[in-house]
Amino acid sequence: ILNVEQSPQSLHVQEGDSTNFTCSFPSSNFYALHWYRWETAKSPEALFVMTLNGDEKKKGRISATLNTKEGYSYLYIKGSQPEDSATYLCATTAGSKSTFGDGTTLTVKP
Amino acid sequence: DAGVTQSPTHLIKTRGQQVTLRCSPISGHKSVSWYQQVLGQGPQFIFQYYEKEERGRGNFPDRFSARQFPNYSSELNVNALLLGDSALYLCASGNARGGNTIYFGEGSWLTVV
Repeated sequence: ILNVEQSPQSLHVQEGDSTNFTCSFPSSNFYALHWYRWETAKSPEALFVMTLNGDEKKKGRISATLNTKEGYSYLYIKGSQPEDSATYLCATTAGSKSTFGDGTTLTVKP
Repeated sequence: DAGVTQSPTHLIKTRGQQVTLRCSPISGHKSVSWYQQVLGQGPQFIFQYYEKEERGRGNFPDRFSARQFPNYSSELNVNALLLGDSALYLCASGNARGGNTIYFGEGSWLTVV
């Protein structure tokens, strides 16, 4: 992996479904992994920042895990709600530079 | 407390012109970063300034420049605009040089015609 890659590119789920998506990143020169939620016409909102292998963070129905050795992070949403519809971005930080993936766009249908 | 503020929110420029975008960080934040986001892609890192010095630069041509002022606000300048410079330009501020959470403004939409 040379760049930050996110999958899937888009996801459509029904209200109440649980879902997860992946962020893959180069495991070398890693400092921190960030997750952001970006709703249309708003600014990206920070969800989590993780630095240690095995880190797990939780915020309400959203949680994230980090594996720095194999270079991936998972974001989980339990019981998706329509207000969870947004683009979810991950980014790695190495030094002063942040590298973003292209995002996963989640649409939750009522 | 006010979040990161950016101006202008929307602007249209002609090819070859120059543009200046402005950013005011969250009070107390000393780091400002600039990103370019085109539709369908994630934000691309342009610059980071910390304590008024350039600390990082992305893969952008020399037509792109920036500076940070003593009050930690920042300007991004783009000269000799090209059609491909049309994008959302995001500013983010943080309270450390790197690694910690950064907070984004709502961006400046630039259209080059």
